[in-house]
Amino acid sequence: DVKVTQSSRYLVKRTGEKVFLECVQDMDHENMFWYRQDPGLGLRLIYFSYDVKMKEKGDIPEGYSVSREKKERFSLILESASTNQTSMYLCASSPSTSYEQYFGPGTRLTVT
Amino acid sequence: RKEVEQDPGPFNVPEGATVAFNCTYSNSASQSFFWYRQDCRKEPKLLMSVYSSGNEDGRFTAQLNRASQYISLLIRDSKLSDSATYLCVVRRTNAGKSTFGDGTTLTVKP
Repeated sequence: DVKVTQSSRYLVKRTGEKVFLECVQDMDHENMFWYRQDPGLGLRLIYFSYDVKMKEKGDIPEGYSVSREKKERFSLILESASTNQTSMYLCASSPSTSYEQYFGPGTRLTVT
Repeated sequence: RKEVEQDPGPFNVPEGATVAFNCTYSNSASQSFFWYRQDCRKEPKLLMSVYSSGNEDGRFTAQLNRASQYISLLIRDSKLSDSATYLCVVRRTNAGKSTFGDGTTLTVKP
């Protein structure tokens, strides 16, 4: 059974703080993704990665960065959190042989 | 215009009803199509892929119309447990990413 875990289910941070969201998958998947989900806007892709140390911008990368130092781990970084980054953040992974994405449970981030 | 558009609903149907959702996509280079299901406060999970010839999985039927650039999901004999948000997903061949629709909410009532 594929498992994607995220470091926190709920997180509250202050404006200007640096925020790290961690995602780990245990199925040796090559591809990993970070999305945010907001009411009325659906899932929007922030960044994705095809391989270790490799990253590609998604549709809304501004204000975010990512790190993939190991195949199983993909981190999302908010350099200076702002209130408009309050959202549900979802991590996903997929093998290179399939387009099926497996999602983690999500982190609900509130920036005050 | 959004790349993938869905009717947000909500669709409220009685148990046993047949319900259909449509999803339109704007990029003709799109090659792979999927339906995901997302329960309230849960993560999305793949429901089924959509093949050119159409495909069926139990009570669920998915179809693709390339000429009109839409995909559909038909649910027969609705169950209470089918209540969820259904997300349409489209992927272009040369793009590394998939584009998700905003979702259609279904509530099945007794």
